[in-house]
This record gives sequence, C-alpha cells and structure tokens, in this order.
Amino acid sequence: DVKVTQSSRYLVKRTGEKVFLECVQDMDHENMFWYRQDPGLGLRLIYFSYDVKMKEKGDIPEGYSVSREKKERFSLILESASTNQTSMYLCASRRGVLNTGELFFGEGSRLTVL
Amino acid sequence: TQLLEQSPQFLSIQEGENLTVYCNSSSVFSSLQWYRQEPGEGPVLLVTVVTGGEVKKLKRLTFQFGDARKDSSLHITAAQPGDTGLYLCAGPYGQNFVFGPGTRLSVLP
Repeated sequence: DVKVTQSSRYLVKRTGEKVFLECVQDMDHENMFWYRQDPGLGLRLIYFSYDVKMKEKGDIPEGYSVSREKKERFSLILESASTNQTSMYLCASRRGVLNTGELFFGEGSRLTVL
Repeated sequence: TQLLEQSPQFLSIQEGENLTVYCNSSSVFSSLQWYRQEPGEGPVLLVTVVTGGEVKKLKRLTFQFGDARKDSSLHITAAQPGDTGLYLCAGPYGQNFVFGPGTRLSVLP
C-alpha cells in the first residue's frame, strides 16, 4: 500500500518558535510538495522539489523553508512561527512530469500557533 | 480571484438524494482532476478527465469535462453517508497544479 506519512498530526506552538514538519514517501517519487489548506482558499502550494537537494518556491513561500536531503523525505520549516501560519499542512508526492499524474497526499498536520 | 471556482461551497442533503457540484474557470485546462478529502484525511484522487466533452463514471459518481475544457461537473446519484467529504477540483497550471476551494458535502442518514 503506497503511503505518504507526515510526522505530526497535531502541533501547538508559540509565536517565534521554530517548527519542523516532516514528510516521508515510500513510492520512490521524484516530486514532493508542501501545501497549506485554509477554509475557502483550497490548497495553496508553499514549496516543491523535483529532485534531491532541489527546491522551488510555490505560490506562498514567505515565512517557510524546505529541505530535501533524501529522495523519500521532504521537510517544511517555519523559522519563526506566527499566528497567521495556523493552518492545515499537507505533504504530497507525484511521479514523473510535474503537472501530470496523481498526487498522493499525507493525512495532514494541523498546526496551531498561539 | 481564484483560477478555479467551485459551487456550491457547502451542500447538506439526505441519504438517497442526487446532487451535482461544479468546477468552473475562465481559462482552458488540458485536464482536470477531482479529489475527495474525508474528515481527518488527505485528498484522494477520484478521476482525471482529459478530453473536452468526456464523461467518466465511477460507480454512483459521474464526471463530465466541458466541451471547451473550462469547466467540469460531478454528479452523485443516490448519495450515501460515505460520500461525505470535501470535493476538490484541480488542474495543471505552470509547473504544478492549481486547486479550487472545494465543495463540502454532508450526507445525512
């Protein structure tokens, strides 16, 4: 059974804290993505990676960074969390050409910043 | 303004009813995908439509891609509580995909 696993389902952090969200996929996919999901706004792309150590900004990268040291692992980092980063974060992976094919999602990480 | 609009935003119906939800854009898409996200889970792909006018069926779900490839619809026949969830449409845009805001469906027993 193919799987995308996110390390934390629920996190509560304080303003200014550093936050790590980790994602691991077992499908040997080249492409990995981090989205945030907010009511009424759908999924918005934060960062994506099409290869190890490669990263590209998505639509809303401000306040975030990413790391992809191994093919199966893609981490999202909030250097200094702020209340407007309270959201659901979804990791996804996809094989092959970036804008074709099926996206496989993790279960999501709900982050609350107080 | 979102590239993909979905309507209605919310829909609450009784088990056994039929329903249709819509995904619209002013832009032409080479394909559109529909995902369903159940509470507490990530989205899961239901279907990809690639040809204008195409109709695809998945059990009680019927998907249609508009002739001009600017819109798509999802029709559910005899809805069941297990159909409850957030239905998202998505289309290729640049290097990646753009998502609509979703239709949140609640099917009451």
